Amino acid sequence: QVQLQESGPGLVKPSGTLSLTCAVSAGSINNYNWWSWVRQPPGKGLEWIGEIYHTGTTNYNPSLKSRVTMSIDKSNNQFSLNLTSVTAADTAIYYCARDLTSSWYLDTWGRGTLVTVSS
Amino acid sequence: EIVMTQSEATLSVSPGERATLSCRARQSVITKLAWYQQKPGQAPRLLIYGASRRATGIPGRFSGSGSGTDFTLTIRSLQSEDVAVYYCQQYNDWPPTFGQGTKVEIK
Repeated sequence: QVQLQESGPGLVKPSGTLSLTCAVSAGSINNYNWWSWVRQPPGKGLEWIGEIYHTGTTNYNPSLKSRVTMSIDKSNNQFSLNLTSVTAADTAIYYCARDLTSSWYLDTWGRGTLVTVSS
Repeated sequence: EIVMTQSEATLSVSPGERATLSCRARQSVITKLAWYQQKPGQAPRLLIYGASRRATGIPGRFSGSGSGTDFTLTIRSLQSEDVAVYYCQQYNDWPPTFGQGTKVEIK
C-alpha cells in the first residue's frame, strides 16, 4: 500500500515562496499515476491545486496557475510543490495525494502539513 | 469551473438510522462524482467514485447514487465512527471541484 508524507516549512513570510515535498513510499513514483496537491484552509473546504505525471507533465488549477510549479524527483521517489507570492489566504493544510486511475479522483492521501503565512 | 453544492451543512442522525446526504452540480458531470469522508484531524478518505462504486475497504453501509447533476450518499445504519465531514467532488472537468461539505453528527 503506497504511503505519502508531506514535509516542508510550517511558516512562510508574506510575498515569499511556499515549498513542500511529498515522499512516496511502498511504491514507485514511476508507476502510471498522477500525483496531486490539494489544500484546505483551517475549518474550510478542499481546493485542488494541481497534478504532475511521472513524465513531468503538469495540470494546474487556473486560479493558482500563475503562482504554482510542480516537479518530480524520480531518484528520491518524491514530488514537490512551489507556490510563489504567498499571502495569508494561502494559509492551509496542504495534502499530497495519488490519482491511481488518471481520472481526477484521489485514492491515497498524505496526512497533510499545515503551512501558515505570517510575518 | 463546475460549482458543487451540498445543501446540508450539518446532518444530525440517531445511531442505527439512515443518513442521506445530497450533492448538486451546476452542470452535468455524468457519473464522474466521488465522495470523501474526513474525520477530525485526518486527511480525506475516498469512499465512492463513479457516483456509486465503493472504494477498496469501504463498508457496505455506504452507498452512492445519481447521475447528471444530482447525487446522493447514503449511510444505511449510522455508526459512531461515521461522525465526519463528507465532501462530494466532480471530476468530469478540470479543475476538479469539491462541495463545501456536510458534517454528520450523532443525534
